[in-house]
Amino acid sequence: GNSVTQMEGPVTLSEEAFLTINCTYTATGYPSLFWYVQYPGEGLQLLLKATKADDKGSNKGFEATYRKETTSFHLEKGSVQVSDSAVYFCALPSGSARQLTFGSGTQLTVLP
Amino acid sequence: EPEVTQTPSHQVTQMGQEVILRCVPISNHLYFYWYRQILGQKVEFLVSFYNNEISEKSEIFDDQFSVERPDGSNFTLKIRSTKLEDSAMYFCASSLGWTGQGQPQHFGDGTRLSIL
Repeated sequence: GNSVTQMEGPVTLSEEAFLTINCTYTATGYPSLFWYVQYPGEGLQLLLKATKADDKGSNKGFEATYRKETTSFHLEKGSVQVSDSAVYFCALPSGSARQLTFGSGTQLTVLP
Repeated sequence: EPEVTQTPSHQVTQMGQEVILRCVPISNHLYFYWYRQILGQKVEFLVSFYNNEISEKSEIFDDQFSVERPDGSNFTLKIRSTKLEDSAMYFCASSLGWTGQGQPQHFGDGTRLSIL
């Protein structure tokens, strides 16, 4: 079945640093891909998505490009803020596309 | 922005007792899900629900678990005879269409279930 491998954390950066969190997937066909974020004490929030190859999802300064050649969907942000400190999850549909399979999550801490 | 709401935020229950976790999905969504996250581990799929029946379930979702949409707005997860290993954060989610068709799932803030 479909699966996703996510960069292990934790990641600690200084404010205004460049962020990359790696995500690679194994899938049948070309499923939609998602990034979710979980702030401390909160639920999972959709950060961005891409529905087909070469699509770029973007939101709140974060971007990720669906690359079928490298089966990757890496999350990037040019200049992180302290408020970006959270756990980030890469996800894709699996089973009969009636469920999401999540990566292990990457804890990001941004220091002032 | 519409959101998924879950109650209670924290539930403490004695082992062997039954517990019901409640969720109010986004009002125009048709597809509903439960996930769980054991502390420090991955988010795991439990069950998906559409048109008043289970669409898919994981091997975690055994006879101890059941789901129901009792009144057209609530979506509940019942765990019978709880075990210590059921302690986890339980997330409800809903979507407008199937995720395989690109429709994202929207999650609640979760219910932390602690089994003593």
